[in-house]
Amino acid sequence: KNQVEQSPQSLIILEGKNCTLQCNYTVSPFSNLRWYKQDTGRGPVSLTIMTFSENTKSNGRYTATLDADTKQSSLHITASQLSDSASYICVVSAREAAGNKLTFGGGTRVLVKP
Amino acid sequence: SQTIHQWPATLVQPVGSPLSLECTVEGTSNPNLYWYRQAAGRGLQLLFYSVGIGQISSEVPQNLSASRPQDRQFILSSKKLLLSDSGFYLCAWADVYEQYFGPGTRLTVT
Repeated sequence: KNQVEQSPQSLIILEGKNCTLQCNYTVSPFSNLRWYKQDTGRGPVSLTIMTFSENTKSNGRYTATLDADTKQSSLHITASQLSDSASYICVVSAREAAGNKLTFGGGTRVLVKP
Repeated sequence: SQTIHQWPATLVQPVGSPLSLECTVEGTSNPNLYWYRQAAGRGLQLLFYSVGIGQISSEVPQNLSASRPQDRQFILSSKKLLLSDSGFYLCAWADVYEQYFGPGTRLTVT
């Protein structure tokens, strides 16, 4: 069964500090891995997408890594800002005959405090 | 550029009442369309997806249904709402690489 596990479930960090979110998956056959940011009451917005051959990708202060061998990914937030307070969702896509099928992690809720 | 609309933004409905949520996409043709539900503090659950007009696949058995009467229109319906139908409903469309989400509808069943 395809699964995506995220940790921690939630964390609180001080403004200006860095943090790292983790994502472990058991999805096969792997197609790509995405990180989304979801503000409260809004739809998720894509931050990064990585295929099998990519092991790091950055989007501003967000840097995602992918280790396809260990089936782990991380999202690193540098110099956090209050606007980074949101849920961060890891989504892994499996390649199937009918098209890619997505498996969603439960998300990590990040609260940045001043 | 592509845009996805959902309405209403919020909805409060009594148990047993019908439901109709609408999603429309602009700026793309023949998109794959999806309905997700997100319960409070939980992850996204895929409810339905559609690869074309009149083609609906259901991921989870429930009292909800979906229809796609036009290429860029996706509707989520129910004849009788349950308390457990409360949640945040997201419509999404996808191209080869990315899935794009709408703003969502907050449904509260009382």
